[in-house]
Amino acid sequence: AQSVTQLGSHVSVSEGALVLLRCNYSSSVPPYLFWYVQYPNQGLQLLLKYTTGATLVKGINGFEAEFKKSETSFHLTKPSAHMSDAAEYFCAVKDLAGGNQFYFGTGTSLTVIP
Amino acid sequence: DTEVTQTPKHLVMGMTNKKSLKCEQHMGHRAMYWYKQKAKKPPELMFVYSYEKLSINESVPSRFSPECPNSSLLNLHLHALQPEDSALYLCASSQEWSRGTDTQYFGPGTRLTVL
Repeated sequence: AQSVTQLGSHVSVSEGALVLLRCNYSSSVPPYLFWYVQYPNQGLQLLLKYTTGATLVKGINGFEAEFKKSETSFHLTKPSAHMSDAAEYFCAVKDLAGGNQFYFGTGTSLTVIP
Repeated sequence: DTEVTQTPKHLVMGMTNKKSLKCEQHMGHRAMYWYKQKAKKPPELMFVYSYEKLSINESVPSRFSPECPNSSLLNLHLHALQPEDSALYLCASSQEWSRGTDTQYFGPGTRLTVL
């Protein structure tokens, strides 16, 4: 089974600073990769996903992520943090073998300091 | 429209009550999911329906009973729950269960409190 590691359960950045949220997966075969955001008392919203093709993926709200096979990573970045980015972020992977079952990371809570 | 709706938004129930959670999508998706999410944790998969048939039951206790009356609707019937069942219950849907590239679209959840 896959495992997903999100380094840093809590990340704080200043408004306007770079946001970097880390995600590493365990499989030797690159899976499909997703980032979801969850605002307080809401469901999960897809930020972006990587399935095939270009390894730099652009998502909503100015976020992007780069798939690096050699590092088994899919880190999420945003050049300039906004107060509205404060939320819980989940990295998730799915095996190429099929099925739509997510393996979620434990989540990173992002705080944006004014 | 990429919306999954869930009702009710909040539910408080006693351990002897019977209640139901409802989920609806009109995106033509043929896979629907129930997740349980505890505070500050990732969602945990409970059930998967594919083409209105139960495909996956992740060893969920029988006090949770899912139902898929049609391709747009998913219910979760609750009976004799325990306080540890208090959580956010999320519904999701995707085009197909078998296609890994498909995005799962999540509803806003039902916040369940069991007294």
